[in-house]
Amino acid sequence: KNQVEQSPQSLIILEGKNCTLQCNYTVSPFSNLRWYKQDTGRGPVSLTIMTFSENTKSNGRYTATLDADTKQSSLHITASQLSDSASYICVVSEAGANSKLTFGKGITLSVRP
Amino acid sequence: GAGVSQTPSNKVTEKGKYVELRCDPISGHTALYWYRQSLGQGPEFLIYFQGTGAADDSGLPNDRFFAVRPEGSVSTLKIQRTERGDSAVYLCASSPSGLAGSYNEQFFGPGTRLTVL
Repeated sequence: KNQVEQSPQSLIILEGKNCTLQCNYTVSPFSNLRWYKQDTGRGPVSLTIMTFSENTKSNGRYTATLDADTKQSSLHITASQLSDSASYICVVSEAGANSKLTFGKGITLSVRP
Repeated sequence: GAGVSQTPSNKVTEKGKYVELRCDPISGHTALYWYRQSLGQGPEFLIYFQGTGAADDSGLPNDRFFAVRPEGSVSTLKIQRTERGDSAVYLCASSPSGLAGSYNEQFFGPGTRLTVL
């Protein structure tokens, strides 16, 4: 069964600090991996998308890495801001006609002043 | 431009009742997805439309759940004889295309929070 595991489950950091969120997956065949940010009461918003040939991608203060050999990804947040408080969801897309997505449970990040 | 919209934003119903949840995708997007998100969990796939047809309905949990997209735009998720376990946030997403090999960027709506008492 395709699975996406994320760690830690939750994280509290002080404003201005950096943090790294982890994702392991077993989805096969692999097409691409995405990180989404989901604010409370809102739908997920895409941060980065990477195919197997890309091992890093940045979007402002967010930098995602991908190791397709070990099936691991990380999302690094630099100089955190209060508005970064949200759930961060790792999502892996299967290769195939329907490009089905498998979602992780998400990591709840709280940035404190 | 307008994003994906969903109505209602909240729906409270009693066990056994019938509910309809509506999704308005981004104009021109051919692919539309329904997901269910329980508290503390990631979204779970329910059904995927390519145009008017359901290309993949393997995520629908049972025959009480049904979805339509008659004109290839707006979609309605229908739940019959609701149960307390149906309580969740129902998310809709749309993308320009669901074709294999594409990034298939999915744009999510805000969701409908369904509570079954």
